[in-house]
Amino acid sequence: EAGVTQFPSHSVIEKGQTVTLRCDPISGHDNLYWYRRVMGKEIKFLLHFVKESKQDESGMPNNRFLAERTGGTYSTLKVQPAELEDSGVYFCASSQGISPLHFGNGTRLTVT
Amino acid sequence: GDSVTQMEGPVTLSEEAFLTINCTYTATGYPSLFWYVQYPGEGLQLLLKATKADDKGSNKGFEATYRKETTSFHLEKGSVQVSDSAVYFCALSDPYNTDKLIFGTGTRLQVFP
Repeated sequence: EAGVTQFPSHSVIEKGQTVTLRCDPISGHDNLYWYRRVMGKEIKFLLHFVKESKQDESGMPNNRFLAERTGGTYSTLKVQPAELEDSGVYFCASSQGISPLHFGNGTRLTVT
Repeated sequence: GDSVTQMEGPVTLSEEAFLTINCTYTATGYPSLFWYVQYPGEGLQLLLKATKADDKGSNKGFEATYRKETTSFHLEKGSVQVSDSAVYFCALSDPYNTDKLIFGTGTRLQVFP
């Protein structure tokens, strides 16, 4: 089966611009998660979708971040406007039932 | 709140050396504990896990034992290979959602032939 796919793999933008990250989970996985690793620090939970509904968005840092999962399939994470501290690696993961969490390769975001 | 502390890296070893990466945690409940590995250019992969005290997780020659009395989950391998070079993350789960993880900062392992 295809794994979790993230686009783009790298993105370099200027402060104040908008960036949209995309995640395609494993087909059939209802649970979709976003995590972020900033500046080589710990990986932190951002939010959790169950199908198209936000189950837990307690980790979203502020209202410059908007996550959507239309139709319960792929998800997007938009950062608008981007700030320097948003630089890091954004990971998406999906799961279904008792299956282990599957992570994508991540999107490396650099804000200059 | 809950947290995970793991040793700073990088850890540099020669092939066939013994590996220990320390991990300790703070948790209010009884979380599951995990080790994830990120090989160069790849995503995170679950390496092993333990769900209750005294459980030992093992995979690919790696082992870790859930020690409640010392709140630790140290990763060990008896003989490392160059292919083990990667970043290793210790993590614990939210008691209500085992997919909601709290990670440590990661430890880079470099193994030289």
